[in-house]
Amino acid sequence: EAGVAQSPRYKIIEKRQSVAFWCNPISGHATLYWYQQILGQGPKLLIQFQNNGVVDDSQLPKDRFSAERLKGVDSTLKIQPAKLEDSAVYLCASSPRTRRTSTNEKLFFGSGTQLSVL
Amino acid sequence: GNSVTQMEGPVTLSEEAFLTINCTYTATGYPSLFWYVQYPGEGLQLLLKATKADDKGSNKGFEATYRKETTSFHLEKGSVQVSDSAVYFCALSPYTGGFKTIFGAGTRLFVKA
Repeated sequence: EAGVAQSPRYKIIEKRQSVAFWCNPISGHATLYWYQQILGQGPKLLIQFQNNGVVDDSQLPKDRFSAERLKGVDSTLKIQPAKLEDSAVYLCASSPRTRRTSTNEKLFFGSGTQLSVL
Repeated sequence: GNSVTQMEGPVTLSEEAFLTINCTYTATGYPSLFWYVQYPGEGLQLLLKATKADDKGSNKGFEATYRKETTSFHLEKGSVQVSDSAVYFCALSPYTGGFKTIFGAGTRLFVKA
């Protein structure tokens, strides 16, 4: 079974530039997440999709970050314009979510995109 | 609110030593609890989980018991190997609020041969 695919693996940009990350979840997984992992910290949820609808984007800085999940499969996360504090690893995860009220779901993570903003 | 607190690392052990990584949580209701592991250059992967009080999750020689009275989920292994060197994340999924998974800061483990 193919895992969660992310690209690019690394990205270096200057502040105020824009950047986009791509994620392809495991086939059939309805739920997709984007997490931000700053060095030395745990992953922080940015946005959660159920199929192509947003379930939770309460921690997404909407003035500069945007995300979409077209057709309920692939997803892109964009930052425009980037700031120095956006330097982090951006992780995509997916899960099958077999029951609406399940809390014991397992997340499947991609390897992440390491972003450096100079 | 919901949160997870882990012991700070790095933790450095010799091979075959006993490992404990402490994790405590704050949550409303009865969350599910997880340990994820991140090996160098790889994504996070689930190590073990427990979904109710007194449950014990186990995998690859690692164990953790869901302790409601102390709100803890400490990770243990009786004899670590060099290949266990990684970053370990404690996490919880609240009983309410959809499928959000909240992670601790992570604890880096180095095992010396």
